[in-house]
Amino acid sequence: GAVVSQHPSRVICKSGTSVKIECRSLDFQATTMFWYRQFPKQSLMLMATSNEGSKATYEQGVEKDKFLINHASLTLSTLTVTSAHPEDSSFYICSARGTGPKTEAFFGQGTRLTVV
Amino acid sequence: AQSVTQPDIHITVSEGASLELRCNYSYGATPYLFWYVQSPGQGLQLLLKYFSGDTLVQGIKGFEAEFKRSQSSFNLRKPSVHWSDAAEYFCAVGARPSNTGKLIFGQGTTLQVKP
Repeated sequence: GAVVSQHPSRVICKSGTSVKIECRSLDFQATTMFWYRQFPKQSLMLMATSNEGSKATYEQGVEKDKFLINHASLTLSTLTVTSAHPEDSSFYICSARGTGPKTEAFFGQGTRLTVV
Repeated sequence: AQSVTQPDIHITVSEGASLELRCNYSYGATPYLFWYVQSPGQGLQLLLKYFSGDTLVQGIKGFEAEFKRSQSSFNLRKPSVHWSDAAEYFCAVGARPSNTGKLIFGQGTTLQVKP
């Protein structure tokens, strides 16, 4: 399957600072990327959908000013958690999808964010 | 509203025993169906998917799943479990017909394998 690389795998930041997470499709062009959040022992909740060159679409309840998503190229999307607080600590996972009706999305390895 | 239910939060099986993980969905039509596996602290790996055609789907690592429209189910099975199968398993649905890649996940089932 296709490869999606997410970086960093772990990050610790101080409360009030911002942190950027990158999601790259290494061997295909990702027209659409998705960002999920996963709390410990829980399922994945979709945060937002981003299409290359356009604004991200956020799910209900997700603060777009806090979770900034940029999808500037067909191989890179970034999630920036602004003014991070301890409650933002979580596991963030991206997925990327190419084109075609039967193309599934491929997942990155995830990023463990800890805000102290 | 669309939803996915995995009734079993935690399952323990002995190595070599058979396995079935349950998944039920609620959707207006037949969705695209997926099973993923997640090891601790890792991303998700696709085990198998159902888009159309044969309702018995073969996947990687010896897994298979059967789509049953009448029961709105997509249960995952493996005839003989290996210790390395211990992980978290997620069932997910994707919307038709666009298949944008946006997925709704079940709560997950933790599989423990006894030696």
